[in-house]
Amino acid sequence: AQSVTQPDIHITVSEGASLELRCNYSYGATPYLFWYVQSPGQGLQLLLKYFSGDTLVQGIKGFEAEFKRSQSSFNLRKPSVHWSDAAEYFCAVGANSNYQLIWGAGTKLIIKP
Amino acid sequence: EAGVAQSPRYKIIEKRQSVAFWCNPISGHATLYWYQQILGQGPKLLIQFQNNGVVDDSQLPKDRFSAERLKGVDSTLKIQPAKLEDSAVYLCASSSNRGTGELFFGEGSRLTVL
Repeated sequence: AQSVTQPDIHITVSEGASLELRCNYSYGATPYLFWYVQSPGQGLQLLLKYFSGDTLVQGIKGFEAEFKRSQSSFNLRKPSVHWSDAAEYFCAVGANSNYQLIWGAGTKLIIKP
Repeated sequence: EAGVAQSPRYKIIEKRQSVAFWCNPISGHATLYWYQQILGQGPKLLIQFQNNGVVDDSQLPKDRFSAERLKGVDSTLKIQPAKLEDSAVYLCASSSNRGTGELFFGEGSRLTVL
């Protein structure tokens, strides 16, 4: 069955430190991959997406993600986090012709001052 | 470009009461989605519309939830009667027909059922 796993429920990072959020998916074909961010009390905002081509994709707010087919992963990275990055991050896979998304359970990012 | 509009932002009701949420998608977006997001979980698709037709409502609890998109633009999601477990944020999203799968979300409607 198609699924998305975000192994870390919470991650705490010091401001200025680097960040990597993990995402693994299970899907038979090459998926469309997304990372969304949800700030407290807000809707979800697209950070970046992968459809094809270069496996390293750049997104907004200084985020990037790398698609690794051999590992079925699409990890999100940022070289230096800011306090404003504190939010919940969701990985999603576009899995059928109706472009419905399968969502991970999310990773809550906490920033230490 | 205006984003996805939702109202109300917050609603508190007692169990067995009814509630309705409204969504206006981005202009020109043919596809509209309603998601339920329970605290600590990812969004769960309730229903997907393409214009004014239903594409998928397989996860909509049809004994108590209903949704419509009569003119292919704005949409209403109704819950009647509400249960305690319906407490959640109801997210509306829209997308164009360009086939990218990118969804644009509203800020959500937070429902508390007491």
